Amino acid sequence: SQQGEEDPQALSIQEGENATMNCSYKTSINNLQWYRQNSGRGLVHLILIRSNEREKHSGRLRVTLDTSKKSSSLLITASRAADTASYFCATDNYGQNFVFGPGTRLSVLP
Amino acid sequence: DVKVTQSSRYLVKRTGEKVFLECVQDMDHENMFWYRQDPGLGLRLIYFSYDVKMKEKGDIPEGYSVSREKKERFSLILESASTNQTSMYLCASSLFGRDYNSPLHFGNGTRLTVT
Repeated sequence: SQQGEEDPQALSIQEGENATMNCSYKTSINNLQWYRQNSGRGLVHLILIRSNEREKHSGRLRVTLDTSKKSSSLLITASRAADTASYFCATDNYGQNFVFGPGTRLSVLP
Repeated sequence: DVKVTQSSRYLVKRTGEKVFLECVQDMDHENMFWYRQDPGLGLRLIYFSYDVKMKEKGDIPEGYSVSREKKERFSLILESASTNQTSMYLCASSLFGRDYNSPLHFGNGTRLTVT
């Protein structure tokens, strides 16, 4: 059962620009997490936002959560070539375990 | 740092073979998970385990089984490999039994090809 859907599927930007990815989900959640996956590797946890939080920052990452719209966004500021990766949102909906979306492929061009 | 180690990065097996994918974590995590990742489909949960000798089915358990005899090790077994099981397999672990605010820690994946 696919819960999260990232948008866009792919994104290309220039180094130094900001990148915004969105995630929509369908049911009530306990928390929402964002992960990064470099090509051919495992996923790395970036940030977790609980259902009672609206915004969270970690370095160049900013995550927002709107539970009324069942959506979240991940903003990467001042992007670098090393940010090139796929980004996934994962929702934890109270005991159903984590459900991942298909991901957004981000390309940061030098 | 948590380390989740998958025994093979690449594996090529023949149709009908029994395949074992091994995963070991070194941080005494209670939860362990097996996902498969296919283009356009994201990650799909195959099986998970909250404790030793305990297992629960995920979204796509058909054709797979698991074993967790020790806390640190979670094995995925393909009883009779088929070509539609060609995929990237990802193992993950997380800290607490039912604390869903624990992030997942992933291994680097095993790319399995069944010919």
